[in-house]
Amino acid sequence: SYELTQPPSVSVSPGQTARITCSGDALSKQYAYWYQQKPGQAPVLVIYKDSERPSGIPERFSGSSSGTTVTLTVSGVQAEDEADYYCQSADSSGTFWVFGGGTKLTVL
Amino acid sequence: QVQLQESGPGLVKPSQTLSLTCTVSGGSISSGSYYWSWIRQPAGKGLEWIGRVYTSGSTNYNPSLKSRVTISLDTSRNQFSLKLSSVTAADTAVYYCARERDYWGQGTLVTVSS
Repeated sequence: SYELTQPPSVSVSPGQTARITCSGDALSKQYAYWYQQKPGQAPVLVIYKDSERPSGIPERFSGSSSGTTVTLTVSGVQAEDEADYYCQSADSSGTFWVFGGGTKLTVL
Repeated sequence: QVQLQESGPGLVKPSQTLSLTCTVSGGSISSGSYYWSWIRQPAGKGLEWIGRVYTSGSTNYNPSLKSRVTISLDTSRNQFSLKLSSVTAADTAVYYCARERDYWGQGTLVTVSS
């Protein structure tokens, strides 16, 4: 079955830049989406189609893609950005969704 | 503003069928071209896509769950539903409904236990 691979955790100090990667064979063909999830809450879309930012999402959130790896970058990390982050994409045919295992972003 | 709300039993016995409904407000489930999905999350674990139904009624399911899952639209009630058969403790999770990737329900906890 198709999988997306994320690091389990990333830690940064306030004001620094956090980068979370997501790898998968079909990412060169399918868009990636990123979600932020805080405890007890539903996921919130923060990046769509690799690098687009929904309205209301702070500009410090950005996304990029290179080959079979996509990256979520949080610039000038704030304490409120501490959360779990999930990438999501589809298999090469675009039929089935898949989520990465999630990355816990800790703000030191 | 589109809003989604999951509803259904919070406790299901092993081997029985889990049934959940997602009620959509702020827009018609039959208008536009959208996928309506179910996603679940066991406590302390990651998100798992269960499947989706298109506005036309066509469906796609997670291959690992396909034999047990049915997702359908009820346009008269502006709802879509999830049925998961032969449940076990491994199906205990918070279940979310979503429109595409941008609108999600708050989630509902379903526990499988006798």
